[in-house]
Amino acid sequence: NAGVTQTPKFQVLKTGQSMTLQCAQDMNHEYMSWYRQDPGMGLRLIHYSVGAGITDQGEVPNGYNVSRSTTEDFPLRLLSAAPSQTSVYFCASRPLQSGNQPQHFGDGTRLSIL
Amino acid sequence: GEDVEQSLFLSVREGDSSVINCTYTDSSSTYLYWYKQEPGAGLQLLTYIFSNMDMKQDQRLTVLLNKKDKHLSLRIADTQTGDSAIYFCAERGRNNAGNMLTFGGGTRLMVKP
Repeated sequence: NAGVTQTPKFQVLKTGQSMTLQCAQDMNHEYMSWYRQDPGMGLRLIHYSVGAGITDQGEVPNGYNVSRSTTEDFPLRLLSAAPSQTSVYFCASRPLQSGNQPQHFGDGTRLSIL
Repeated sequence: GEDVEQSLFLSVREGDSSVINCTYTDSSSTYLYWYKQEPGAGLQLLTYIFSNMDMKQDQRLTVLLNKKDKHLSLRIADTQTGDSAIYFCAERGRNNAGNMLTFGGGTRLMVKP
């Protein structure tokens, strides 16, 4: 059972570089989301998607783009990396049904911007 | 937006009980969750409680919910060194974007042998 797979696990970028963080899930979940984790601030929602072709902004969307062309994949793009985007990024998914369905998290991508 | 608050740090001795507290502001919260994060890993769901319950017990874990005060706690009985981790409280409410979770800042639990 792969669950939610994030790649890469680690990345170092220079300011101004672009990069795509990959996220894939094999559970046929409609909901997918990206969070960033910063010390003492918990996880903050960047973007989310409720199904293929549908995306929306979360709490901290600036500097990030997303797309959802398939149910399985939800890549996160940094068009011009900034040091403030140094963080640990988590992708999560869950089924569409309401109720107690928890989010399943990937293992994270640790991103450093120099 | 809605807010979830936790204390940053808790230290206990092995064998003692740990109590991690969380407060939230969203009065429309439907489910509240506790996640555990070990070093270098993702978030693992520990337990959850529906907002119309006031207590849930699952082996060594007891969740207490005071909906009036918007206060959630996680009690870990007989705390072990393997329980050392960061614990996140999260809530899902109708005010959350896309019905996603709002997380607290996490409580780092340190268990001393």
